[in-house]
Amino acid sequence: EDQVTQSPEALRLQEGESSSLNCSYTVSGLRGLFWYRQDPGKGPEFLFTLYSAGEEKEKERLKATLTKKESFLHITAPKPEDSATYLCAVQSFESNNAGNMLTFGGGTRLMVKP
Amino acid sequence: GAVVSQHPSRVICKSGTSVKIECRSLDFQATTMFWYRQFPKQSLMLMATSNEGSKATYEQGVEKDKFLINHASLTLSTLTVTSAHPEDSSFYICSARDQYRTNSPLHFGNGTRLTVT
Repeated sequence: EDQVTQSPEALRLQEGESSSLNCSYTVSGLRGLFWYRQDPGKGPEFLFTLYSAGEEKEKERLKATLTKKESFLHITAPKPEDSATYLCAVQSFESNNAGNMLTFGGGTRLMVKP
Repeated sequence: GAVVSQHPSRVICKSGTSVKIECRSLDFQATTMFWYRQFPKQSLMLMATSNEGSKATYEQGVEKDKFLINHASLTLSTLTVTSAHPEDSSFYICSARDQYRTNSPLHFGNGTRLTVT
């Protein structure tokens, strides 16, 4: 059974204070690891997909990295508008429905204070 | 990019009534759509997989007679919460991917906040 654990559950940063969010996973054959951002009362918004260890992707102040056991979402010089819940999810080659099913972690609630 | 539209965004209903939630893929086709449920400050839990032209697949513990799913076309799936009770109050979110785009990620609707009084 695929498992995803995110830490910390909540993170408070001052504006400009860089940090990293962790996503640890166990999966029988990783098809892809996904990062989403979710604002209160909204659906998750897609950020990145990572497929293999060593892969990195960047978007503005966010950078996602992947190893065989975990992924990190690095936030450089965050701004208040980066405040949201960040969700990590994995998709395995053994997922049902043509591999479309995602298993989500519990998320990290990020709060960036001005 | 791929857009998933969900309607309504909020609904309040009385206990015992039924509520229908629509999920549409606006600019792509999806033979499969996924319905998730999210409680406050918790992550998304998959409820069921909606399959166009066939029966939905439900996750363990999800009552198929209570959460009716219909996937009538390649762009529309509906979730009907039948005989709703206060414990059904939650945030319901649908998702789909563009099956014709390689490595297209799952895109989510903006969710439906259901409150049963």
